[in-house]
Amino acid sequence: EAQVTQNPRYLITVTGKKLTVTCSQNMNHEYMSWYRQDPGLGLRQIYYSMNVEVTDKGDVPEGYKVSRKEKRNFPLILESPSPNQTSLYFCASSQNPLYGYTFGSGTRLTVV
Amino acid sequence: SQQGEEDPQALSIQEGENATMNCSYKTSINNLQWYRQNSGRGLVHLILIRSNEREKHSGRLRVTLDTSKKSSSLLITASRAADTASYFCATDEGNNRLAFGKGNQVVVIP
Repeated sequence: EAQVTQNPRYLITVTGKKLTVTCSQNMNHEYMSWYRQDPGLGLRQIYYSMNVEVTDKGDVPEGYKVSRKEKRNFPLILESPSPNQTSLYFCASSQNPLYGYTFGSGTRLTVV
Repeated sequence: SQQGEEDPQALSIQEGENATMNCSYKTSINNLQWYRQNSGRGLVHLILIRSNEREKHSGRLRVTLDTSKKSSSLLITASRAADTASYFCATDEGNNRLAFGKGNQVVVIP
C-alpha cells in the first residue's frame, strides 16, 4: 500500500532531550515536507526537500533539523526540544507538487 | 507564510444539504488545493485547481477559483455524516511549498 509512515505516533519527552521523528514513504517520491499543526494556526511548514541531499527551510525552521540521505526517508530532528515545540507533526510527500501531497498519520509530541 | 484563509471557519449543516467554504489568499499562485482532515488524523488530498482553471469537479466536490479576487470556494453537494471533518485550502506559489490556511470545521448532522 502506498503510504507515508511516521514514527512514533505519540511521544512525551522532557525539555532538552534530543529526539528524532522518522518519516518514510514507499512511493519513490522526490518531494518531502514537514509541517506542524497548532490550534488556531493551521499547518505551518518546517522544512522541505526536493530530492536527496536537497533541503530548505520552511516558515518555522527554528529548533529543527532534517536530513535527506535517502529518497524514502526524511527524519525530523529536535536537538534540544522545548515546550513550545509541543505540537502535532505531519510528514508529506509528492512525486509532483502539481498533483498534491500524501500525508502521514501524524506524530503528537508533548515536551514537558 | 500563511496564505489561505478559509471562511466560514465553522459550519454545521444537516445531512443532504450542501456545504460551501471559501478561501482567500494574498499572492499569485500556480495552483490551489483542498485537503480534508478527520479529527487528529493526516490530511487527505481532495482536489487541485490550476491558476488557469476556473472550475473543477470531482464526485460531489466542486471547486471554483477566481484569481482576480484571489479566492476559491469548495462546494460539497448532498453532504453525508462522513463528510464531517476539517477542510483546508493550500496554495502553491510555485516554489515547491504549500501554504495552508487555518481550516474550516464542518459538522454534518445525520
